[in-house]
Amino acid sequence: GEDVEQSLFLSVREGDSSVINCTYTDSSSTYLYWYKQEPGAGLQLLTYIFSNMDMKQDQRLTVLLNKKDKHLSLRIADTQTGDSAIYFCAESRGKLIFGQGTELSVKP
Amino acid sequence: NAGVMQNPRHLVRRRGQEARLRCSPMKGHSHVYWYRQLPEEGLKFMVYLQKENIIDESGMPKERFSAEFPKEGPSILRIQQVVRGDSAAYFCASSRGQENTEAFFGQGTRLTVV
Repeated sequence: GEDVEQSLFLSVREGDSSVINCTYTDSSSTYLYWYKQEPGAGLQLLTYIFSNMDMKQDQRLTVLLNKKDKHLSLRIADTQTGDSAIYFCAESRGKLIFGQGTELSVKP
Repeated sequence: NAGVMQNPRHLVRRRGQEARLRCSPMKGHSHVYWYRQLPEEGLKFMVYLQKENIIDESGMPKERFSAEFPKEGPSILRIQQVVRGDSAAYFCASSRGQENTEAFFGQGTRLTVV
């Protein structure tokens, strides 16, 4: 299909790790992205990964890419209440194609 | 260096009126993208523009919607004869080039049609 797909909800406890998964569709996508959207706000670019990489780490964020399965994941270590938001993955096909977003709820 | 600026932040229009949404890209960015986010949905691509050119309008509704990015001034998304179903958040993003590593988003314009 043409859709980028994500699970809709994830709930974790503060201090745990969060893993948000995404499957994309276009194996020729050069870059894959993770964006964060807080309520009533725009999208904030968190991180991106080039398609020839398997993993990228940036402080508490780890992105894993499985090109064979077209699977992308975002791991947030030591999740905080401030991480509660909607997380979008996106693939680049000249323009960005977004998943429907995963709402992360962090409970104290 | 200011980020992507969109205005207005909130716009209320009556059915049948016109809505004009503005987007000023980041300094040095010549590529602009418009997205629409319906309540509790993801972002749907609408149109991709460079200065004075529409590159990809595959996501634009066939009627009532138009976009431009003139040589001078902001990009404009124009919706004529708005209907209730046009109520959504409209986001603009800009980047330096097409195969961009980073597209930066504005805060969005929330359009409400009453």
